[in-house]
Amino acid sequence: DAGVTQSPTHLIKTRGQQVTLRCSPKSGHDTVSWYQQALGQGPQFIFQYYEEEERQRGNFPDRFSGHQFPNYSSELNVNALLLGDSALYLCASSFRTSGGHEQFFGPGTRLTVL
Amino acid sequence: AQSVTQLGSHVSVSEGALVLLRCNYSSSVPPYLFWYVQYPNQGLQLLLKYTSAATLVKGINGFEAEFKKSETSFHLTKPSAHMSDAAEYFCAVRRGSGGGADGLTFGKGTHLIIQP
Repeated sequence: DAGVTQSPTHLIKTRGQQVTLRCSPKSGHDTVSWYQQALGQGPQFIFQYYEEEERQRGNFPDRFSGHQFPNYSSELNVNALLLGDSALYLCASSFRTSGGHEQFFGPGTRLTVL
Repeated sequence: AQSVTQLGSHVSVSEGALVLLRCNYSSSVPPYLFWYVQYPNQGLQLLLKYTSAATLVKGINGFEAEFKKSETSFHLTKPSAHMSDAAEYFCAVRRGSGGGADGLTFGKGTHLIIQP
């Protein structure tokens, strides 16, 4: 049983560009959450998707957007990249109808903005 | 809004000694609390969770935590540290209060160093 997978592993972009990160949830999970983890910091909640809709959102600008597909996989899009967007982006999945209290994390995508 | 504070960005203990990592929470509703561990260049792994059942929660790798409402604390302990415990540890609280899955609010983390 594959856990949460994310692609790509690493990514280098320049300021002003756009980036798309991808996440496949753990088998049987229907909810995907995205987090940003800056170096030396704890993860910060970006948003959560369930039934292909954004259900919750943290304190992130509209440059951060997402999508969830019918197979529950998800994408995180960041437009107009800033140097401060450099971070590890973590995807977590859970099963909503069981309470979804336990979130399983993927290995993350390391984004570097130059 | 729910939040957690981790006391001590770095904790150093000798191998075989007691591990104590501190976490205090702030919540207007009964909290759901979690401890996660992160090894270098990896994602987060759940150690244990408190979801309003037993106040003493046992997790993986010999870790446990006790929920103390009077102290608004959820400290993580392990009786005897092992070299493999060296990692970053995060305390987290569920953001919402309703049913269903919610995002998590994390503390800043505590780096655990094990001295041989």
